[in-house]
Amino acid sequence: QQKVQQSPESLSVPEGGMASLNCTSSDRNFQYFWWYRQHSGEGPKALMSIFSDGDKKEGRFTAHLNKASLHVSLHIRDSQPSDSALYFCAASVTGNTGKLIFGLGTTLQVQP
Amino acid sequence: ETAVFQTPNYHVTQVGNEVSFNCKQTLGHDTMYWYKQDSKKLLKIMFSYNNKQLIVNETVPRRFSPQSSDKAHLNLRIKSVEPEDSAVYLCASSYWGGVYEQYFGPGTRLTVL
Repeated sequence: QQKVQQSPESLSVPEGGMASLNCTSSDRNFQYFWWYRQHSGEGPKALMSIFSDGDKKEGRFTAHLNKASLHVSLHIRDSQPSDSALYFCAASVTGNTGKLIFGLGTTLQVQP
Repeated sequence: ETAVFQTPNYHVTQVGNEVSFNCKQTLGHDTMYWYKQDSKKLLKIMFSYNNKQLIVNETVPRRFSPQSSDKAHLNLRIKSVEPEDSAVYLCASSYWGGVYEQYFGPGTRLTVL
């Protein structure tokens, strides 16, 4: 069973719209959560991390973490065509080796 | 330029051959990783090294063997490749610990015929 589950599998939003991506973990040992983005033909690139309950905002991107429910989300406002990519949620445990467990990803398509 | 570099970009080979992939990072990190990304885009860690020491060794077939000459270089050798080894192999680096961002290279796409 996948320890990090993402939804939806794919998402299409109009340019300028809001995209919302969800991630749920089944392992309470996970303490650190990351969002990575991968454009076609490239390696993943970290968008942002979130380690504490609540919201974290970086530009057009806002992450939300609820540790009690092991749920983390990513919201992209004013979506741009360049945001079209595969988005991964990843989690790691406290004080560990940096081993990241990735979800299966959400494919975001922003329609011009 | 500071980044994670991988060679080759692509490699096509026959079942049973041996292949080697190279990775170099110029970010000054002390930890490096190999990930496998399959055709469904699932990303799974295979190995990680910290200062040339093997730290994470996931359940991968014994034909896979990582090699680290120093903390900036991590190679991957596959002896006797199988069709299921066809995938993109991604190298990444970071500082030690789960709180640090991992920087990925562009990947090496392996096709086994």
